[in-house]
Amino acid sequence: AQTVTQSQPEMSVQEAETVTLSCTYDTSESDYYLFWYKQPPSRQMILVIRQEAYKQQNATENRFSVNFQKAAKSFSLKISDSQLGDAAMYFCAYSYEGYALNFGKGTSLLVTP
Amino acid sequence: DAMVIQNPRYQVTQFGKPVTLSCSQTLNHNVMYWYQQKSSQAPKLLFHYYDKDFNNEADTPDNFQSRRPNTSFCFLDIRSPGLGDAAMYLCATSEADGLRPQHFGDGTRLSIL
Repeated sequence: AQTVTQSQPEMSVQEAETVTLSCTYDTSESDYYLFWYKQPPSRQMILVIRQEAYKQQNATENRFSVNFQKAAKSFSLKISDSQLGDAAMYFCAYSYEGYALNFGKGTSLLVTP
Repeated sequence: DAMVIQNPRYQVTQFGKPVTLSCSQTLNHNVMYWYQQKSSQAPKLLFHYYDKDFNNEADTPDNFQSRRPNTSFCFLDIRSPGLGDAAMYLCATSEADGLRPQHFGDGTRLSIL
């Protein structure tokens, strides 16, 4: 079974600074999908960024980018110019067939003024 | 706005009393999912529908069932809730493509008395 590990239960960053959230996963598949989802307190979960494993280029969405290291099975999320609205629980997720998402336990990000 | 709507936001039921949670979508997505998220844990997929095809996760308890009468609606039935079933239940939808993001509802928080 595929597992997703987020080793940082909590992270803190100052406004305007950069923070990196870690994620590793375990799989025997060669093609799969990776995602970062954000879940603000008492609000719905939304997609932050996604990556297809066969694409070597790291995905970027505005202030959010990933560092995808396929051989190391690592998929970290970098948030640049952090904003107060970035405070949330961040989940790394893996999907093989494109349907079921296997989530990590999440990293709670605190953004301080 | 197109969205995923879960009702109710909060549900209280008694131990052993059947309960039904509702999810509707205006996105016209093929796939609908139910996740269980316990406090401080990752969401765990219970099952999903691809159109009318039901896909149960291997470790989903028999106590949990689902119905999808049409494209727009999906229900989660818990036949005899136990204290361990208290959790947030998340409904999500997606198009039938692995890289397409899942769109989540706000969730229903279920409490068992």
